Amino acid sequence: SQQGEEDPQALSIQEGENATMNCSYKTSINNLQWYRQNSGRGLVHLILIRSNEREKHSGRLRVTLDTSKKSSSLLITASRAADTASYFCATVSSGSARQLTFGSGTQLTVLP
Amino acid sequence: EPEVTQTPSHQVTQMGQEVILRCVPISNHLYFYWYRQILGQKVEFLVSFYNNEISEKSEIFDDQFSVERPDGSNFTLKIRSTKLEDSAMYFCASSNLFSGNTIYFGEGSWLTVV
Repeated sequence: SQQGEEDPQALSIQEGENATMNCSYKTSINNLQWYRQNSGRGLVHLILIRSNEREKHSGRLRVTLDTSKKSSSLLITASRAADTASYFCATVSSGSARQLTFGSGTQLTVLP
Repeated sequence: EPEVTQTPSHQVTQMGQEVILRCVPISNHLYFYWYRQILGQKVEFLVSFYNNEISEKSEIFDDQFSVERPDGSNFTLKIRSTKLEDSAMYFCASSNLFSGNTIYFGEGSWLTVV
């Protein structure tokens, strides 16, 4: 797989359930960022986690980072229909200034 | 909340024509970027710009592409002679040394080359 690959590719859940999306990467990173994209729209930054951090919270979002496994997860708790979107992880490699390498994304559908 | 703004939102151009996509980054940001997303594919890095020069660029960013910061607020991407495969959504982004490397994206410019 390539840098920043999300799993699963598509996820469909009922409103109120939790959604977990995973991301794996290959190189050493400076930080990892999660973005959301509604269809045909721009990328909205959700959360950034640095390589020396293991977990971060922001509202209903919880991100974990395991640098030994080169993986991250995004948990959205108590999902809403408005959370329906594509979610991307993006990494900034060590040694890069600020270039983001994006994964293919997870398409999340939250059914009302 | 400050945001990155891009114009036009959609442009259709003939193959071989020059295109300029415009961006106004967040006002106190110092680092500027262009990314693109071909329909159904990953978002790809094109170029980063700092202190009036290119700091990183990808293989995609060949001689047909150029960037410029013509004044204190605008940041432009020029494609000299467009090809069909340049059809994509082009995203401008900016960041600040003090924003913890968080990179903020605009809404994008859809470019369709016919």
